[in-house]
Amino acid sequence: DAKTTQPTSMDCAEGRAANLPCNHSTISGNEYVYWYRQIHSQGPQYIIHGLKNNETNEMASLIITEDRKSSTLILPHATLRDTAVYYCIVRVQSGYSTLTFGKGTMLLVSP
Amino acid sequence: KAGVTQTPRYLIKTRGQQVTLSCSPISGHRSVSWYQQTPGQGLQFLFEYFSETQRNKGNFPGRFSGRQFSNSRSEMNVSTLELGDSALYLCASSELLAGLGDTQYFGPGTRLTVL
Repeated sequence: DAKTTQPTSMDCAEGRAANLPCNHSTISGNEYVYWYRQIHSQGPQYIIHGLKNNETNEMASLIITEDRKSSTLILPHATLRDTAVYYCIVRVQSGYSTLTFGKGTMLLVSP
Repeated sequence: KAGVTQTPRYLIKTRGQQVTLSCSPISGHRSVSWYQQTPGQGLQFLFEYFSETQRNKGNFPGRFSGRQFSNSRSEMNVSTLELGDSALYLCASSELLAGLGDTQYFGPGTRLTVL
């Protein structure tokens, strides 16, 4: 699976959009971009995933560049409860379910 | 649907003992994966089971083992506990629908402390 690069930490004001970047310059054509988040000492929570088209669900939007070498997770109106470590993971959707987690981005949402 | 459940949530053991952790996947999910999370190593893959068969294994010693039952519930066992085994152990389940990918959903974890 391709490796990813994320900023170590980011700040965001409550109510503002949080834009979390992820670089995956070595991504292969059959690799998806997945985002998870982990609130302190809880299990990771699935957020969204995509292949090449932009995706949106009730939690967030995922914007993938045309060359697929980077992506951005957007939380449109961040709340204090969105404070968490956000992981960007690139993986093939094969029959093997292994997720390789990096260090992620610690997002701190402040009042 | 109920989410992934893990029992117990917290556990304290002493060095040399063994421990068994349990995971019940989301109803209908046939794949169960286990991960270990420590402050130093982060989240690391332990093993994955599908239809009662271990299909993939991470780089952990043989003291770490697991199994899956016919109802997809899974257990993992750690024998001869060491201080370094203190960690959050996470279970994740997925449907593994052919051609549609396999999003994993995590449980709350079991916090193991080895004294």
